[in-house]
Amino acid sequence: QQQVKQSPQSLIVQKGGISIINCAYENTAFDYFPWYQQFPGKGPALLIAIRPDVSEKKEGRFTISFNKSAKQFSLHIMDSQPGDSATYFCAASEFTQGGSEKLVFGKGTKLTVNP
Amino acid sequence: AAGVIQSPRHLIKEKRETATLKCYPIPRHDTVYWYQQGPGQDPQFLISFYEKMQSDKGSIPDRFSAQQFSDYHSELNMSSLELGDSALYFCASRKPGQGAYEQYFGPGTRLTVT
Repeated sequence: QQQVKQSPQSLIVQKGGISIINCAYENTAFDYFPWYQQFPGKGPALLIAIRPDVSEKKEGRFTISFNKSAKQFSLHIMDSQPGDSATYFCAASEFTQGGSEKLVFGKGTKLTVNP
Repeated sequence: AAGVIQSPRHLIKEKRETATLKCYPIPRHDTVYWYQQGPGQDPQFLISFYEKMQSDKGSIPDRFSAQQFSDYHSELNMSSLELGDSALYFCASRKPGQGAYEQYFGPGTRLTVT
C-alpha cells in the first residue's frame, strides 16, 4: 500500500507556466516532507523540504504548500522552464521501530515543460 | 564537492548469477541507504546502515545481503539473480545530525539480468 499518494502521474506545461504536483498521506507520524527531483539516469536530488508545523516554504521558484488537517502537500514550480523537465517525487520521513529514520516515496510525476 | 560514488555504473548478469554493488558515501557521512528503482517506479527502500550497523530493513529479498565496512563504504550482495532484479540501485548517504530526508543519492548502478 502506497503510504504517500502522488498525482498527477505526468504533467505537461508551457514555458513560463505554473506546475503543480500534489501528494497526500495518512500517517500522522511522518515528521518531514521533502521533494526530490530526478533527471533520467541520475539519482534523486533533494529540492525542498517542509516540516508539518509550517504551512508554506519557498525557495526560489519552488514552493511547498502544506495542509496538515487535510494531510496534503503540494509542490508549485513558478515560471516553469524546459530545464525543469524531470521526474518529481514527494516523500515523507518516518521513524522506524528500530529508532532509525527512513523515507517513503510517492510514485513520481514526470514533468515536461515545453519551450 | 564530493558526491556519493557507486560502482559499477552498469552491470549485466545472467539469471542465477551473483552481483556485488559498491557504494562510497560522502566523507564524514555515517549513514548509508540502499534503494531499488524499477522502470518508471519510485525508489523502494532496501536497507540502511548507521555507523556500520544495520539500522533498518525494508523490502529486501533474502537473496540480498549488505554490509557497511570500517571505512563506511557499503556493499550490496545479490545472489541467485532473477529477471525481476533488473533495476537501478541507488545508494544514498547522510551526515551525522541530519534528518532522513537530507540524503544525498549516488548516480546509481543499472543492473540488467538476462
